[in-house]
Amino acid sequence: GAVVSQHPSWVICKSGTSVKIECRSLDFQATTMFWYRQFPKQSLMLMATSNEGSKATYEQGVEKDKFLINHASLTLSTLTVTSAHPEDSSFYICSARDTTGVGYGYTFGSGTRLTVV
Amino acid sequence: QQPVQSPQAVILREGEDAVINCSSSKALYSVHWYRQKHGEAPVFLMILLKGGEQKGHEKISASFNEKKQQSSLYLTASQLSYSGTYFCGTLHSGNTPLVFGKGTRLSVIA
Repeated sequence: GAVVSQHPSWVICKSGTSVKIECRSLDFQATTMFWYRQFPKQSLMLMATSNEGSKATYEQGVEKDKFLINHASLTLSTLTVTSAHPEDSSFYICSARDTTGVGYGYTFGSGTRLTVV
Repeated sequence: QQPVQSPQAVILREGEDAVINCSSSKALYSVHWYRQKHGEAPVFLMILLKGGEQKGHEKISASFNEKKQQSSLYLTASQLSYSGTYFCGTLHSGNTPLVFGKGTRLSVIA
């Protein structure tokens, strides 16, 4: 089945620094990837839709200058949290859909737990 | 628009059954069900594409009532491994992002 690889699994960074999270579709091409954020005991909230070769579409309330998304190829999307602060600490998950496969399920990466200290 | 899930939480003994509901105020294109264990990413369970569709895998099944804009997930003869938070994700049209409900926390005890 479709596999989405996300790295790193966890990261601890100092306040004010930037962190990059990678999301790769391993055995399929993903023209669209989705980035979610999940706070403890809450649901997954969509942050943005990443489109290959074009600008990402951000959900209301998500700062596009803070959460930079780059989708440079059909298999890689990156999320960079710039000037991270403790309130950015969360579980970040990417998702992609393999439209060539049967089932049309959205596959999720393993997630990245970000802790800003 | 975020779908509404019920119940918010449920505790079962091994072997008991449970039903989790997911409803939307807008017409649905498809419904996706996921289970998430603590600290892990969601794992895809199944997708329902057509009104009236029912499907299952082992002792977990789901139905989709397109007219009522709702879906239900059925867990039969629950096992300890079924514990986790179940999310329904809904699509209102083709290649759009999934919008998740707030989740149902299921705990199966021995």
